[in-house]
Amino acid sequence: EIVLTQSPGTLSLSPGERATLSCRASQSVSSSNLAWYQQKPGQAPRLLMYGASSRATGIPDRFSGSGSGTDFTLTISRLEPEDFAVYYCQQYGSSRFTFGPGTKVDIK
Amino acid sequence: EVQLVESGGGLVKPGGSLRLSCAASGFTFSNAWMTWVRQAPGKGLEWVGRVRSKTDGGTTDYAAPVKDRFTISRDDSKNTLYLQMSSLKIEDTAVYYCTKEGSGWYGALAYYYMDVWGKGTTVTVSS
Repeated sequence: EIVLTQSPGTLSLSPGERATLSCRASQSVSSSNLAWYQQKPGQAPRLLMYGASSRATGIPDRFSGSGSGTDFTLTISRLEPEDFAVYYCQQYGSSRFTFGPGTKVDIK
Repeated sequence: EVQLVESGGGLVKPGGSLRLSCAASGFTFSNAWMTWVRQAPGKGLEWVGRVRSKTDGGTTDYAAPVKDRFTISRDDSKNTLYLQMSSLKIEDTAVYYCTKEGSGWYGALAYYYMDVWGKGTTVTVSS
């Protein structure tokens, strides 16, 4: 089973700063099967990115995704107040989904 | 509006059973592959299992911790997804989310993600 590791566990930044979140897989992952989700307290997760770099409907272009193989990155170019949340990466393979443990982006 | 609404959560004793439902609207449910994801209190997301559309075989896949205890089914006439949970354990305590899968093709490779989420229903397993 592919294990996803996310770093850092917590990222403390100010509005307007750039956030770079990492997701590393224990084995190579098809880029097309890497997705990112955002979850705010008390809410369901929301799809941000799929196929590693495609934004979901309605997601602003300050969010971007990149990577291949075992290393993937979610970048938020300029943090808005509504972006402070937990972010999860997810991969699909062998008819299974797995999630990373999440990165919390909080206000510095 | 695309919507998923879960129901059926509650308090159940260890070893007990519970059935969750997920009512879907705003999309063609019969064509959708559907997934359950859970989140234990203060923890991350955990995939539970999925069911394919009937036209794609209607087959199911399950995560190892729930295999042989949980059963996912669907009633396309009612636009409803179900999760039958039995032999419940304390570690099954979680918010259970119903999700709709999105998919596409990258060359010859199919890819999948969860593009619509319900608000979740809470299951507490405790004596």
